[in-house]
This record gives sequence, C-alpha cells and structure tokens, in this order.
Amino acid sequence: SQQGEEDPQALSIQEGENATMNCSYKTSINNLQWYRQNSGRGLVHLILIRSNEREKHSGRLRVTLDTSKKSSSLLITASRAADTASYFCATDAAINTGTASKLTFGTGTRLQVTL
Amino acid sequence: DAGVTQSPTHLIKTRGQQVTLRCSPISGHKSVSWYQQVLGQGPQFIFQYYEKEERGRGNFPDRFSARQFPNYSSELNVNALLLGDSALYLCASSLWREDTEAFFGQGTRLTVV
Repeated sequence: SQQGEEDPQALSIQEGENATMNCSYKTSINNLQWYRQNSGRGLVHLILIRSNEREKHSGRLRVTLDTSKKSSSLLITASRAADTASYFCATDAAINTGTASKLTFGTGTRLQVTL
Repeated sequence: DAGVTQSPTHLIKTRGQQVTLRCSPISGHKSVSWYQQVLGQGPQFIFQYYEKEERGRGNFPDRFSARQFPNYSSELNVNALLLGDSALYLCASSLWREDTEAFFGQGTRLTVV
C-alpha cells in the first residue's frame, strides 16, 4: 500500500514559475526522499531530508519536512520545460537499524511545465 | 561509472508463464531492492537483499521470489503470471547504511497478455 499522498495529483505551470508539491505520510520515518520520474522510466533521486531536519536546499530545489504534521513539500523554483516529469516522495522507515531500508512511495504529482 | 542496469527493458509474457528479471547494482553497492510500479501509481516495495540474504519483503504473493548473487547482482522471478502483474519493475541499489539514497535502474516493462 502507498504510504501517503502527494498533492496535487497534477500541476501545470509556465516556464519560470515556481512549482510546489506536497506529500503526506502516515508512520514515523528515518528520512524522506524525493524522486523524479520521466515518462514512466527509472527514478532519479533528487534530495534526502532526515527526520531531524526541517529544510534542505539543492540547486533550484527546496524541501521542507514537518514531522509533527507528517508532511513534506518540494519547491522547484524558476521551473523549466525539462522539469516536466512525475515527482514522488518516499519515506524510509527502516527495516533494520543501521541499514538502508525499504522506501514507501506516495502516489506522485505529475508536473507539466509549458513554454 | 555505470549506473544500475536492468534487463530486459521490455518483456511480453502470457498468463501462467514464468519470468526472470535481472539487475546489476552500482559498483560498491551491496544492497539491492525490487519495486513494482503499476501504471498511475507509485512504486511498491517487493524485496530487499543484502549480502545474498533477504532483508525485507513487501506484501506480495509467494509467486514472487528473488535472489542475490556473490557479485551482488540480483534476479526477480515471478511464477504463474497474472494479467495484474503487468507493471514496470524497478531495481534499486544502495549502500548498506542509514540515510542513504537509492539509485534506480530504468526498469523492465512487463506486459502479461
């Protein structure tokens, strides 16, 4: 089963605008990760935020995490047509301590960036 | 460096048949995980392997099995295929430690007819 939901399910913006996607999850986590998927192919890792972190930046990406609300957001600034893809959040709840564990993905947000 | 490689990229099978999917992890990564992604949904965890041992299993029937070889490559086997097994099967490799990202291959698109 899916861990949570991304919101919105689909988002259409113009190039240069900012895109914000939200993710909610259900259980306690070690970390939360965001991935991008182009055209139903492989997932590309974007950013990892640990449970004790509240905000993280990577280039045009900004991720926030609110563990009290069990939610995260991904902001893409100054979007480009090449950012068109599906974006997924994934939570890591740890099968065994000290390991990279299974990821539980949300349902994804389909982002369309038009010229 | 080569990323995670999966083979084949596409596969068409008939109901009731068996299928084997293959995955080679990034050099140095000893953990391999398998995910199933049905159209329109997020990936769902099937198995995780580390040092040739199963370290985690998702909510999938016993028709699904996997193994990991001494070189850390992995195979996913699905027996008695059902139409509902049609999906993109993704392999991910990672280091065996906390708070590390998983690197995904391009997937194998399985169609069961």
